[in-house]
Amino acid sequence: AQSVAQPEDQVNVAEGNPLTVKCTYSVSGNPYLFWYVQYPNRGLQFLLKYITGDNLVKGSYGFEAEFNKSQTSFHLKKPSALVSDSALYFCAVRDEGTGANNLFFGTGTRLTVIP
Amino acid sequence: EPEVTQTPSHQVTQMGQEVILRCVPISNHLYFYWYRQILGQKVEFLVSFYNNEISEKSEIFDDQFSVERPDGSNFTLKIRSTKLEDSAMYFCASSERGRSTEAFFGQGTRLTVV
Repeated sequence: AQSVAQPEDQVNVAEGNPLTVKCTYSVSGNPYLFWYVQYPNRGLQFLLKYITGDNLVKGSYGFEAEFNKSQTSFHLKKPSALVSDSALYFCAVRDEGTGANNLFFGTGTRLTVIP
Repeated sequence: EPEVTQTPSHQVTQMGQEVILRCVPISNHLYFYWYRQILGQKVEFLVSFYNNEISEKSEIFDDQFSVERPDGSNFTLKIRSTKLEDSAMYFCASSERGRSTEAFFGQGTRLTVV
């Protein structure tokens, strides 16, 4: 069975500092990994994905994420946080081993960037 | 930029009533999905739809739920007899292809069952 863990419900970081939002996963086959961001009363916006290839993927708004197969992690990072990055972040996985198309989401991490 | 649109943005219904949530996916996308999110919590998969039939569904998607693509553009979720616990934000999503492509989400319909 597939699962996604976001161990931190809340992450606080000062503006201008680097940020990391953690995600680990468990799948039976190869993972397809995604990060989404949700602003208040809005839908989910796609940030970036890892399918295959380079372990470091770059996405929207200066975000990047590193796929680490041995640690089954896909942490989201940004070198310099902005106050406007404050939002709810979801990690999601598709399990290539099951053949399913549905995304399985983590519980979300609320990022607050402090001015 | 193309986007997924959902109507209505907010619906209030009485327990036991039927509701239909509507979505217009991105036009060249082939896979369609419904997800729900209860009170800003975890996003849960309900159903996926491809080639005019359900391809996957979760245990949440019981006989009270149904989906339909009545024409070439709309994708609907029907809840036959709503319960209080159906109150949630319902998101429609679509993707161009299958597993390796990202899903694009609509703004959601907030369903409140009273």
